[in-house]
Amino acid sequence: GAVVSQHPSWVICKSGTSVKIECRSLDFQATTMFWYRQFPKQSLMLMATSNEGSKATYEQGVEKDKFLINHASLTLSTLTVTSAHPEDSSFYICSAGQGAYEQYFGPGTRLTVT
Amino acid sequence: AQSVTQLDSQVPVFEEAPVELRCNYSSSVSVYLFWYVQYPNQGLQLLLKYLSGSTLVESINGFEAEFNKSQTSFHLRKPSVHISDTAEYFCAVIGSARQLTFGSGTQLTVLP
Repeated sequence: GAVVSQHPSWVICKSGTSVKIECRSLDFQATTMFWYRQFPKQSLMLMATSNEGSKATYEQGVEKDKFLINHASLTLSTLTVTSAHPEDSSFYICSAGQGAYEQYFGPGTRLTVT
Repeated sequence: AQSVTQLDSQVPVFEEAPVELRCNYSSSVSVYLFWYVQYPNQGLQLLLKYLSGSTLVESINGFEAEFNKSQTSFHLRKPSVHISDTAEYFCAVIGSARQLTFGSGTQLTVLP
């Protein structure tokens, strides 16, 4: 149980285009999902907290107009990187909250912007 | 506010040897601690957690961690490692709104 999927697992896009990443909780409902960014050989940095039916809460320094988050249902949250640039290339990981303390992580999405 | 410090960025160890990965935390709220493991190009998998109760917690694959409030530590140990344990290990503490704060990670490399 408690499986979280991400799609796509790997994407290459050209500079200036937008990319959408999906995060789904497959066998449970998640009112809260989290989006992280991880650079090579570094830890995960929380980008935003996504609550179903309301606006996402962004961490300091994260551009909300660049990283659009939508949590339209209890099983789906999407992250759209708008007007992507090479510096946005990274590993993006989502997690879905269950209960008071548990978070289950997706397998990650590798974004490369050329 | 909470923070997590993992003192060792890399830990090489020979197969079947014991290992300890160190984690220290600071938190202004109730302490809930986690260890996650990440294999290359994958997401994180929960290894074990401390929420309350016994200060010694164990995972199904032989790892254990002990919550030490006086030393603000939550070190991860395994008495005998395998090649398959090679991975990145992250210690984390949970704060308000269920937000996890991660340490910088420790790369465990098990050598044959």
